[in-house]
Amino acid sequence: TQLLEQSPQFLSIQEGENLTVYCNSSSVFSSLQWYRQEPGEGPVLLVTVVTGGEVKKLKRLTFQFGDARKDSSLHITAAQPGDTGLYLCAGWAGTASKLTFGTGTRLQVTL
Amino acid sequence: ETGVTQSPTHLIKTRGQQVTLRCSSQSGHNTVSWYQQALGQGPQFIFQYYREEENGRGNFPPRFSGLQFPNYSSELNVNALELDDSALYLCASSAGGLVASGYTFGSGTRLTVV
Repeated sequence: TQLLEQSPQFLSIQEGENLTVYCNSSSVFSSLQWYRQEPGEGPVLLVTVVTGGEVKKLKRLTFQFGDARKDSSLHITAAQPGDTGLYLCAGWAGTASKLTFGTGTRLQVTL
Repeated sequence: ETGVTQSPTHLIKTRGQQVTLRCSSQSGHNTVSWYQQALGQGPQFIFQYYREEENGRGNFPPRFSGLQFPNYSSELNVNALELDDSALYLCASSAGGLVASGYTFGSGTRLTVV
């Protein structure tokens, strides 16, 4: 069973602060994705990383895929209230047909 | 291009009843995956359909079953509902069966079993 553990589970910060969310597994993934989910909605894809050591930037969000392709991180710079939501990492193991989701990190950004 | 549409949005059922949830996939997508999401947790994979055939199944009992139609829309059926089946059920469509393309999710069906 491929498990993706996210930390922290919950994060409450003030506007302007920086934060990092971690996604760890003992399994190797051929690619890893990050999604953001708002209440009452389905997850929305933010980014896909496929190469070990890859770093992708999306405005204030920086995503990194570990060299061994077992872990990933999401760093948000100068968080804004609009960043509030449930952040989910999800891994694709290649030969398996399913996308395995992490345990989720709930982020709350207040003014 | 249209997104993924799920119906109904909310549903209340009694323990022991049966339920059918529906999903219309995004135009051009031939793969549909169903997930169960408990409150505050990550989605758990139920099963996936590719070109009308089941293409992988998670750790869910046989009372969870599905169908995919020629137009790639899909249904999730749950028999003999239990209280623990209360959750948000998400449908996601993608292009291709085994390629790790991004999933487009619907807004989900919130099922409450009482």
